[in-house]
Amino acid sequence: TQLLEQSPQFLSIQEGENLTVYCNSSSVFSSLQWYRQEPGEGPVLLVTVVTGGEVKKLKRLTFQFGDARKDSSLHITAAQPGDTGLYLCAGGRGKTSGSRLTFGEGTQLTVNP
Amino acid sequence: GAVVSQHPSWVICKSGTSVKIECRSLDFQATTMFWYRQFPKQSLMLMATSNEGSKATYEQGVEKDKFLINHASLTLSTLTVTSAHPEDSSFYICSAPRPGINEKLFFGSGTQLSVL
Repeated sequence: TQLLEQSPQFLSIQEGENLTVYCNSSSVFSSLQWYRQEPGEGPVLLVTVVTGGEVKKLKRLTFQFGDARKDSSLHITAAQPGDTGLYLCAGGRGKTSGSRLTFGEGTQLTVNP
Repeated sequence: GAVVSQHPSWVICKSGTSVKIECRSLDFQATTMFWYRQFPKQSLMLMATSNEGSKATYEQGVEKDKFLINHASLTLSTLTVTSAHPEDSSFYICSAPRPGINEKLFFGSGTQLSVL
């Protein structure tokens, strides 16, 4: 059973455009993580949000955790070709990252120059 | 630099043979490691949780006898795909949580397995 629904699954945009990726669940998570993965490599952690309503910014990327800790969003401003990759959200229920994560389906982003 | 090393990066084998994939934590001890399987442009599917000194915990639908996991030390976990078949071809990734104040989960670089 997929507990985290990610949308859209595929997104192809032009350089300079903005985009938002959503991660939704009916379950409450103690933390929500966003990863970016490039072909042939493992995912790399971008951010972890743990508090309901929390907003974190990482340069052109803005991450938000829903008030009820059931959903999250990733917004990219002025996308660049280097942002191309598979973006994954993952929810944790334990207190540490050693806890089992539930991954979303992933969003394949392509930014065209 | 990488804090979790996975080896080999890719392997091609004949149907019926066994393949071992190693996952090492380089500068920390990991009592727990995770093994995932991933199909092209899809998400990670957790296969099992590797526990140092005890049996691995497998996810529902994952064959224990097919995917043997051994967590022999605090820095090494291995996944052995036994009697591999073409349908086992996939990208396998491991991860390990690095303990500390800012505990983070680090992933290996993955292993692309192709079974002919």
